[in-house]
Amino acid sequence: KQEVTQIPAALSVPEGENLVLNCSFTDSAIYNLQWFRQDPGKGLTSLLLIQSSQREQTSGRLNASLDKSSGRSTLYIAASQPGDSATYLCAVMNRDDKIIFGKGTRLHILP
Amino acid sequence: ETGVTQSPTHLIKTRGQQVTLRCSSQSGHNTVSWYQQALGQGPQFIFQYYREEENGRGNFPPRFSGLQFPNYSSELNVNALELDDSALYLCASSLLTGEYTEAFFGQGTRLTVV
Repeated sequence: KQEVTQIPAALSVPEGENLVLNCSFTDSAIYNLQWFRQDPGKGLTSLLLIQSSQREQTSGRLNASLDKSSGRSTLYIAASQPGDSATYLCAVMNRDDKIIFGKGTRLHILP
Repeated sequence: ETGVTQSPTHLIKTRGQQVTLRCSSQSGHNTVSWYQQALGQGPQFIFQYYREEENGRGNFPPRFSGLQFPNYSSELNVNALELDDSALYLCASSLLTGEYTEAFFGQGTRLTVV
């Protein structure tokens, strides 16, 4: 049974710092891994999707990596801004087309 | 914008009542999945429909049921509502293409049971 774990559960960093969010999963037989952002009371915003055959994806200040063999992914945020404050969710799509989510990391960027 | 729309955006129901949530899939997608996100938790898989047939179900009781229509839109029905059913309900549509399958999420329906 696929399990997705995100560490840390919460993180506070000063504005301008670079930071890394971690995600691990137990079953490497996945189609893809996706990082989402969720603002309080809102839905999901897709940030980056990495196919199982890929190692990383980049969008602006965001970079996500995937090491399928070790069951790990990281989301790197460069030069953090107060507007980056949100919950970040990691999700894997299994080969049965079902998506399993982690519980998220609550990020607070201090002005 | 993902092209996936959910309605209503918010609603309040009383314990014991029944509720129907709706999801309009992205054009061309034949699969819809529903997720429940309780406060402070990640979304949990409820069930998936593929071409109008249930195609997998998570650990949810039978009072959670669904439908997918010929145009691939979908409904989630919950009977005998309980206080713990209060959550954000998300639907995702996809076109099953094996390893290149990607799911697109709607903005969710916030259900409050009082």
